[in-house]
Amino acid sequence: AQSVTQLDSQVPVFEEAPVELRCNYSSSVSVYLFWYVQYPNQGLQLLLKYLSGSTLVESINGFEAEFNKSQTSFHLRKPSVHISDTAEYFCAVNPQGGSEKLVFGKGTKLTVNP
Amino acid sequence: DAMVIQNPRYQVTQFGKPVTLSCSQTLNHNVMYWYQQKSSQAPKLLFHYYDKDFNNEADTPDNFQSRRPNTSFCFLDIRSPGLGDAAMYLCATSREQKETQYFGPGTRLLVL
Repeated sequence: AQSVTQLDSQVPVFEEAPVELRCNYSSSVSVYLFWYVQYPNQGLQLLLKYLSGSTLVESINGFEAEFNKSQTSFHLRKPSVHISDTAEYFCAVNPQGGSEKLVFGKGTKLTVNP
Repeated sequence: DAMVIQNPRYQVTQFGKPVTLSCSQTLNHNVMYWYQQKSSQAPKLLFHYYDKDFNNEADTPDNFQSRRPNTSFCFLDIRSPGLGDAAMYLCATSREQKETQYFGPGTRLLVL
C-alpha cells in the first residue's frame, strides 16, 4: 500500500521569503506524484505533477517540485512567496499499476504573513 | 471554461433528511470520483465510476450512494444524513484510471 507523509502540518512564513513544503512517500511500485492547492472553501486545484521525464517540474505561478527517487521525496518549493499563496497544500501519489487509488497526505497549511 | 461543476456550493439539510449533491463535467472523462473532506483533513475517497461501472470503497458507509446517469453527470445521495456527515464533498474526474484527477469546487454540507 502507498502512503504519503507531509511532516509539517503548518508552515508560517513572511512575504517574499522562500518556502519548502516537504512530502515523502512510501510505495512498492513506481508512482505518479502530484501537488494540489486548496484555498479556503474551495476545491483542490492541480498545482503540478510528475509523470515521467525531467525530475524537476514547475507550475505557472512560480512553484517547483523535484522528484527524488532515492529519497522517495517530492518537496514543493517557491523562492519568494506572496500573501496570495496562503492555502493548504496536499501532496498525493498514484501508483502506476494495480488497483490502488490516489493517496493524499494530510496537507500543509501555508500562511504567508506581511 | 468550467470543467468540473458542483451544485450547490453550499447545502444545508436536516438530520435524517435525504440530500443529493450534483456533479457535472465538460471534459468527457471516463472516470468520476466522490471524496469526503472533513475540516483540516485530507480528502477521503468514497467511490468512483469508470464509465457505468460503480466501485465502492470498502469503508464507505451504506448511507452514501451514487448514480451516474450519463457520462457528464454524477450524483451523491446521502440517504439519512447524520451530524458526522457534515463535510466538504468533492467531485473529481480523470480521463482514465491512474491519470490526473481534476476537482470541482466542492459542496459544503451542513447538517442541522
